[in-house]
Amino acid sequence: ETGVTQSPTHLIKTRGQQVTLRCSSQSGHNTVSWYQQALGQGPQFIFQYYREEENGRGNFPPRFSGLQFPNYSSELNVNALELDDSALYLCASSTRLATNTGELFFGEGSRLTVL
Amino acid sequence: QKEVEQDPGPLSVPEGAIVSLNCTYSNSAFQYFMWYRQYSRKGPELLMYTYSSGNKEDGRFTAQVDKSSKYISLFIRDSQPSDSATYLCAGKTSYDKVIFGPGTSLSVIP
Repeated sequence: ETGVTQSPTHLIKTRGQQVTLRCSSQSGHNTVSWYQQALGQGPQFIFQYYREEENGRGNFPPRFSGLQFPNYSSELNVNALELDDSALYLCASSTRLATNTGELFFGEGSRLTVL
Repeated sequence: QKEVEQDPGPLSVPEGAIVSLNCTYSNSAFQYFMWYRQYSRKGPELLMYTYSSGNKEDGRFTAQVDKSSKYISLFIRDSQPSDSATYLCAGKTSYDKVIFGPGTSLSVIP
C-alpha cells in the first residue's frame, strides 16, 4: 500500500462527456503526477503538479486539465471525451527530491471506459 | 522510435529460475533508471532505481545499466510465483518526466 488513493476506481462515460478523477497523495508528498496507461502499454505522462502549479506536461491536448489543492490532493479533468481516452489513469505522488530520481508512488488507478 | 523499448513477452519460467528482463533506450540524456512492478489491476510499484551506469542489488533483484550501449537489465534470482507481474523499465533526465517502456509480462510457474 502506497497511501495514494484514487476515485472512482471504475467509470463508464459516453463520447463527448466530461470526467473528473481524484487523487489523494501520500502524507508528506507535495508533488503529484498523472499518467494514462492504455491496455498493454506503459504509462504515458500527462502532467505534474508541484505546490498547486503545473510543472511539466506531456503530449496531451488542452482538454486534459488538472488541479492541485493546498492539501496536495489533485484532480484530473478530461473534456469532450473520445473513444481513445479509454484507459487506466494513474496518479503518483512523491516528494520533490524523489520525483527528480524517478521514485513515484502510484495509486491503483481509475479505469475509464468511453463508449 | 519510442524512447524506452522492451520485449512485451509473455515470458514464462519455472519457479526457482533466474529471470533476465531487458530494455533499450534512445535518450542519451537519461541519468536515472527505474524498474517498476505492476500486478494485474494494480498501480505500478517501484522495485529499484539506479543512477547512471552500474549495478544495484536488493535481495533477489539486481538492476544493471550500461549507458554506453543504452541497455537496462533486471535479474531476478530464485524466482517465485509471487513475482508473476508486468515489469516496467523507465528512464529520466534530472528534471524531466519519467518515461516508461511498454512492460514485459512475466509468469513464474510453480
